[in-house]
Amino acid sequence: GQNIDQPTEMTATEGAIVQINCTYQTSGFNGLFWYQQHAGEAPTFLSYNVLDGLEEKGRFSSFLSRSKGYSYLLLKELQMKDSASYLCAAMDSNYQLIWGAGTKLIIKP
Amino acid sequence: ETGVTQTPRHLVMGMTNKKSLKCEQHLGHNAMYWYKQSAKKPLELMFVYSLEERVENNSVPSRFSPECPNSSHLFLHLHTLQPEDSALYLCASSQDSGKYNEQFFGPGTRLTVL
Repeated sequence: GQNIDQPTEMTATEGAIVQINCTYQTSGFNGLFWYQQHAGEAPTFLSYNVLDGLEEKGRFSSFLSRSKGYSYLLLKELQMKDSASYLCAAMDSNYQLIWGAGTKLIIKP
Repeated sequence: ETGVTQTPRHLVMGMTNKKSLKCEQHLGHNAMYWYKQSAKKPLELMFVYSLEERVENNSVPSRFSPECPNSSHLFLHLHTLQPEDSALYLCASSQDSGKYNEQFFGPGTRLTVL
């Protein structure tokens, strides 16, 4: 079956760095997405990886290892506004997104 | 603002009611999606429309009935729902379906079935 695993909840300190991991098993693979969702709001796109390696976008970076079925989202210089849920989703061979349950990130002062 | 709007934002209904959720996208996209989001569970894809034709129906109960009159509008008609259908219903759109495309989400309708 197809499956995405990510931690349910993480806590980090303002100004620090946090890494949110995601492992996936899909029928075929056409890339991995990360979305951010603040409570009561729409998920918004953060990143897309289809090739191995690290993609950096400001304070946020996303890494992919296709051979390991593994990705992570790295958030640097954490701000209070980064408190949100982070959703990992892998695209299978039919271009359908398989979603994880999300990681709730709590930022403490 | 993502360019995808949903109404109503909150809905409370009894099990015998009939109601509809509305989604509108202002992005010129060709594909639209309905998702169900329950607490601590992955997003569940319910329906996919591409150029107003349904291309995906993930075994959703018939008490949920989608309608896509044009590429900008998507409805989800609800009737005789169950309490376990209470969830956040998200609409999304993308340029196309069937290949890589970033999906843009609306804010969702929080549905409570009594």
